[in-house]
Amino acid sequence: AQSVAQPEDQVNVAEGNPLTVKCTYSVSGNPYLFWYVQYPNRGLQFLLKYITGDNLVKGSYGFEAEFNKSQTSFHLKKPSALVSDSALYFCAVRDGGATNKLIFGTGTLLAVQP
Amino acid sequence: SQTIHQWPATLVQPVGSPLSLECTVEGTSNPNLYWYRQAAGRGLQLLFYSVGIGQISSEVPQNLSASRPQDRQFILSSKKLLLSDSGFYLCAWRTSGQGFYPGYGYTFGSGTRLTVV
Repeated sequence: AQSVAQPEDQVNVAEGNPLTVKCTYSVSGNPYLFWYVQYPNRGLQFLLKYITGDNLVKGSYGFEAEFNKSQTSFHLKKPSALVSDSALYFCAVRDGGATNKLIFGTGTLLAVQP
Repeated sequence: SQTIHQWPATLVQPVGSPLSLECTVEGTSNPNLYWYRQAAGRGLQLLFYSVGIGQISSEVPQNLSASRPQDRQFILSSKKLLLSDSGFYLCAWRTSGQGFYPGYGYTFGSGTRLTVV
């Protein structure tokens, strides 16, 4: 079965420092991977995706992620964190077949201190 | 343009009362639609999905049901709410734009915060 793991419940980083939010996946076949961000009491906002092509994916708000097939990882990164980046981040993988549903990780709370 | 609407934004309902949450999409036809629930502010669990009118699949047994009376309308319902039905409910649809890979994705509604009291 397809799955994603986000090993960190929370990541703390100082404003201006680089940030990384980790995600590893387990899929059969080629993975369709996604990152979403959620602010309190809001829906999920799409950040970026990897389906095929360049392993380094650039997304919204200065975020990027690197698809690493050998390590089965898709870590989210940003060179310089902003206080406004503080939110809940979800990694997700598409479950193929009839549903094409998204399977989510447990989420990582990013806290950026000023 | 392709958009998704979800309402109401918040809802407080007594135990045993009925529920109806609505989700509609615009700018597409025959979308794959999904209902997720987020409990305790974290994990997202798929409740139902639909690949077409009248076609509903349930992922987990529960007190809720879903219906798709029109191509771009997806409704989440309950006849009698339980305390455990409280949570944040999200509707989503699988998008496909120009070109399979560039357009492939999932768009989420703004969510409904349901509190059962």
